[in-house]
Amino acid sequence: QKEVEQNSGPLSVPEGAIASLNCTYSDRGSQSFFWYRQYSGKSPELIMSIYSNGDKEDGRFTAQLNKASQYVSLLIRDSQPSDSATYLCAVISSWAYDMRFGAGTRLTVKP
Amino acid sequence: DGGITQSPKYLFRKEGQNVTLSCEQNLNHDAMYWYRQDPGQGLRLIYYSQIVNDFQKGDIAEGYSVSREKKESFPLTVTSAQKNPTAFYLCASSIGLFTEAFFGQGTRLTVV
Repeated sequence: QKEVEQNSGPLSVPEGAIASLNCTYSDRGSQSFFWYRQYSGKSPELIMSIYSNGDKEDGRFTAQLNKASQYVSLLIRDSQPSDSATYLCAVISSWAYDMRFGAGTRLTVKP
Repeated sequence: DGGITQSPKYLFRKEGQNVTLSCEQNLNHDAMYWYRQDPGQGLRLIYYSQIVNDFQKGDIAEGYSVSREKKESFPLTVTSAQKNPTAFYLCASSIGLFTEAFFGQGTRLTVV
């Protein structure tokens, strides 16, 4: 079982729709969770961090964390073509004491 | 401007050569990292450093070496022992070890 799993996609949504990206992790003791956006050929850019159960909103982005179910999600409201990118989920593992990344979900927002 | 600078952006290596990738940060971060990214895969940790003159191996350290002589700098050497070095190399830093990490622009290494 991979430590951090994401649906590789591609996920395609029309412009203006809500994009929902999901991530599950295996280490129940994980405490810190991050979403990065990576445009093709570029480096990852941190867009959200979340540490507690529940929702965290930042502009059009909402991160949701459910530690009991071991998943973290990212919602992008009013999706724009500029949101087309690969979204990486990262989890800080309590036992391994490092940051593990999922393989990423490729999102395409169609005008 | 504060940030992380990696150089060069593109690097070509001949078989049997050692090459060094540069990473400099002016964010006053204590921790620095090197990751490798292959197409369709997540980032894999090569080495990390929490403080000057100290560094630890990550999951795929074989064929790589690092140094941390200054807080601002964490160069990565890809040695000839690394059999499949073609990849996108990413340097990152964070205030504390394994907290919010910020990435440099990356170096794309190709073996010719």
